[in-house]
Amino acid sequence: DIQMTQSPSSLSASVGDRVTITCRASQGINNYLTWFQQKPGKAPKPLIYGASNLQSGVPSKFSGSGSGTDFTLTISSLQPEDVATYYCQQYNSYPLTFGGGTKVEI
Amino acid sequence: EVQLVESGGGLVQPGGSLRLSCAASGFTFSDHYMDWVRQAPGKGLEWVGRTRNKANSYTTVYAASVNGRFTVSRDDSKNSLYLQMYSLKTEDTAVYYCTRVLVAGPHYYFDSWGQGTLVTVSS
Repeated sequence: DIQMTQSPSSLSASVGDRVTITCRASQGINNYLTWFQQKPGKAPKPLIYGASNLQSGVPSKFSGSGSGTDFTLTISSLQPEDVATYYCQQYNSYPLTFGGGTKVEI
Repeated sequence: EVQLVESGGGLVQPGGSLRLSCAASGFTFSDHYMDWVRQAPGKGLEWVGRTRNKANSYTTVYAASVNGRFTVSRDDSKNSLYLQMYSLKTEDTAVYYCTRVLVAGPHYYFDSWGQGTLVTVSS
């Protein structure tokens, strides 16, 4: 199985800060990676697919990069509505696997 | 608008069975792969299983943790997805989400999720 490791597990930042979350795969996954945002009590929402493609309707302050084993999600200017837990997920091979999540607070 | 509505969750004893349903609307259900993903209370996300579409013979794939105990199925005539769960264990306690897989070139990703249904396995 491909293990997905996110760092940090949590972070606290200020409004307007640039925030970066890292996801590392235990083996190469090309660019078959999705980033999700999950707010408390809600279902996850896709932000980025294919490592760097913005999902329709998602604000451009979210961006993704990477290929192979190392990936990043960046929030260019953190806002209160971005408080959530963020997950990466690989779909290169079965079983599909998720990172452990990064909790973002202000 | 894509809508996925799960139902069928509840309290069940260890060793028991339960069947979850997901009613889909707002898109051509039969075209899509459909998956189940779960989330134990306060924990992360775990993929459970997938059913492919008719064009891919409705084949299924499962996580090792549920293989042989859970069955994913679908009824395209009813726009419905199902998860039949047998031999339930306390560690199966989770919110179960129904998800749609969207294909964009080589990318097969979860683009729509239901609100989830809670399954509690406890004596």
